[in-house]
Amino acid sequence: DIQLTQSPSSLSASVGDRVSITCRASQSISFYLNWYQQKPGRAPEALIYAGSTLQSGVPPRFSGSGSGTAFTLNISSLQPEDFATYYCQFAKGPHRTFGQGTKVEIK
Amino acid sequence: QVQLKQSGAEVKMPGASVKVSCKVSGYTLSELPMHWVRQAPGKGLEWMGGFDPEEGETIYARKFQGRVTMTEDKSTDTAYMELSGLRSEDAAVYYCATGHWSGYLVFAYWGQGSLVTVSS
Repeated sequence: DIQLTQSPSSLSASVGDRVSITCRASQSISFYLNWYQQKPGRAPEALIYAGSTLQSGVPPRFSGSGSGTAFTLNISSLQPEDFATYYCQFAKGPHRTFGQGTKVEIK
Repeated sequence: QVQLKQSGAEVKMPGASVKVSCKVSGYTLSELPMHWVRQAPGKGLEWMGGFDPEEGETIYARKFQGRVTMTEDKSTDTAYMELSGLRSEDAAVYYCATGHWSGYLVFAYWGQGSLVTVSS
């Protein structure tokens, strides 16, 4: 099965900072990667699919890049509502594994 | 707009089974490949299984094979996830999740979560 490893596991940043989160796959997964955001006590929300396509309604400060085994989620200018945990997910069946998550905290 | 409404919190004894429901509105269940994801307290998301449109069948994560059963009642647009042989480490929030299949699947829609507590 595909394993996804996110880095870092957590980070501290300030409002306005640029933030990057990496997701590495144990083998090539082409562009089959999704990103989700989860806030405490809430269900996750989809941010990006197919590696780099923004989900409808997601602010353009979020972007995704990468293919193969290395992917990146970027937040160009961190906003107060962006402090949350972010997960990558393998998006091609049958086993749709998640990464372990990256918690973005206020500095 | 798809909405997913899950059943309420459950408290179960170790060794028991739990069955969580997920009612779909806005679309029919036949149009949506339903999956289940759980999250233990303070932990990350764990994919449990779901309908794979390419395989044409429900696929379970290896960790849960033999203990989990995912079913659907298309007459009521309700999906179910039953987990048997509960142990303390199964205590978690269980989510149903789905999206529109167009050769690619992202979980654009999530239920609100169902808390399962395992305690003697």
